[in-house]
Amino acid sequence: NAGVMQNPRHLVRRRGQEARLRCSPMKGHSHVYWYRQLPEEGLKFMVYLQKENIIDESGMPKERFSAEFPKEGPSILRIQQVVRGDSAAYFCASSPTGQGEYGYTFGSGTRLTVV
Amino acid sequence: AQSVTQLDSQVPVFEEAPVELRCNYSSSVSVYLFWYVQYPNQGLQLLLKYLSGSTLVKGINGFEAEFNKSQTSFHLRKPSVHISDTAEYFCAVRNNNDMRFGAGTRLTVKP
Repeated sequence: NAGVMQNPRHLVRRRGQEARLRCSPMKGHSHVYWYRQLPEEGLKFMVYLQKENIIDESGMPKERFSAEFPKEGPSILRIQQVVRGDSAAYFCASSPTGQGEYGYTFGSGTRLTVV
Repeated sequence: AQSVTQLDSQVPVFEEAPVELRCNYSSSVSVYLFWYVQYPNQGLQLLLKYLSGSTLVKGINGFEAEFNKSQTSFHLRKPSVHISDTAEYFCAVRNNNDMRFGAGTRLTVKP
C-alpha cells in the first residue's frame, strides 16, 4: 500500500518557466492538501481539494498558482512564470475523510529551485 | 481559527538525556492535536496524536505527549534521546479540514 507519492522529488526551473508538481494520494484517500515550506519555516497551508473540487484555496497566492484534482489521475499544483521567491519545498498530504480525527499522510515533497 | 506556537526553535541535547519540546495552541473550538517529525529532505511522519480520553498519549520511537487543556499545551517528551532523533518536530492542531502547524523545533542530539 503505497503512501502519498509526489513527483518529481527535485525540480529546477528558470525564472519565467512553469512548474508542475504532482501528487497521488494514498489509496482510499479522497482529500488532498498542499503545503509550502520555506527554509527555516513551518508549513503553510495552500489549498485543499477533493476529487474535481477545490474546497479551500485561502492559502494560495492570487496569481500564478493553481491546483486541480481531476477525476482520474494525480493532483497537480501548477506555478506559472516562476520567480526566485517560489523556491521552496512543496508537500502534499492526503486524508481519508474531512473528519478531524484523522491525521494527514504526507508525501516526501517536491523541492523546487528557481534559478 | 486555531493557531500553534512552538516555544523553542532549537533544542540541543546530549545523547541519552531527556527532552521536552513545547507546544501551545489556541482555538475557540475543540481540536485534535498532533506531533510530526521531519527528517532531512523527507516528508512529515506522524509521531502521535491526541483525540480524546487519556491526556497522556504514546507514539512511535519512544515519544509521548501530554495534553493539558487548562494550559492549552501539548508538550512532547522523550526520557532518553538517541542520535537518530535529530530532526525537525512540528506540532499541529486540526479542526475538521483546517490543520495548522507550528514553526517547528529543531532537535539536535549530540554525542
